[in-house]
Amino acid sequence: KNEVEQSPQNLTAQEGEFITINCSYSVGISALHWLQQHPGGGIVSLFMLSSGKKKHGRLIATINIQEKHSSLHITASHPRDSAVYICAVTGTASKLTFGTGTRLQVTL
Amino acid sequence: ETGVTQTPRHLVMGMTNKKSLKCEQHLGHNAMYWYKQSAKKPLELMFVYNFKEQTENNSVPSRFSPECPNSSHLFLHLHTLQPEDSALYLCASSQGSVDTQYFGPGTRLTVL
Repeated sequence: KNEVEQSPQNLTAQEGEFITINCSYSVGISALHWLQQHPGGGIVSLFMLSSGKKKHGRLIATINIQEKHSSLHITASHPRDSAVYICAVTGTASKLTFGTGTRLQVTL
Repeated sequence: ETGVTQTPRHLVMGMTNKKSLKCEQHLGHNAMYWYKQSAKKPLELMFVYNFKEQTENNSVPSRFSPECPNSSHLFLHLHTLQPEDSALYLCASSQGSVDTQYFGPGTRLTVL
């Protein structure tokens, strides 16, 4: 079992839909990260959070430390949001551990 | 554009070849990382450098040899690789070891 689990693995949505991607982890962490990887490989860091909620444009990330759970929400989804979304946690010794990613496809 | 560049973007090599991957960051960061991303597997940390010193080697086989001549440049020297080493190799940098990491576009490596 991975230390970081994401669900769903694959997600297809229509443009405009509200999207939620979930991440659960089993280790003690100092921070949780949400990353976006577009086809071709480049990875962009979306959020780093250790408590509560952060918002950037149409993206919202929340974390519940007690439940060891985080969600990434996308409002008013658009085809350009199509990408792989990766959850990662900073654990002991500042080491990043990654989930396997959620592949999102937003269609017109 | 994240401020981290990697060359080459694609590389095909035979098992007896020697090649090197290059990473350069223009962000003034002090930490640099090599990651391996294989199909359907999570990103795997390979090496970490802080202030040019290697601080982590995540049980990586010796056929992968990192080099960090200064805080802006990181190399991964490849020698006698195996087909299972085919993957996307990503470089990243951060200001400190607990700060947000900025990733390069990756090098897609194919070992024949």
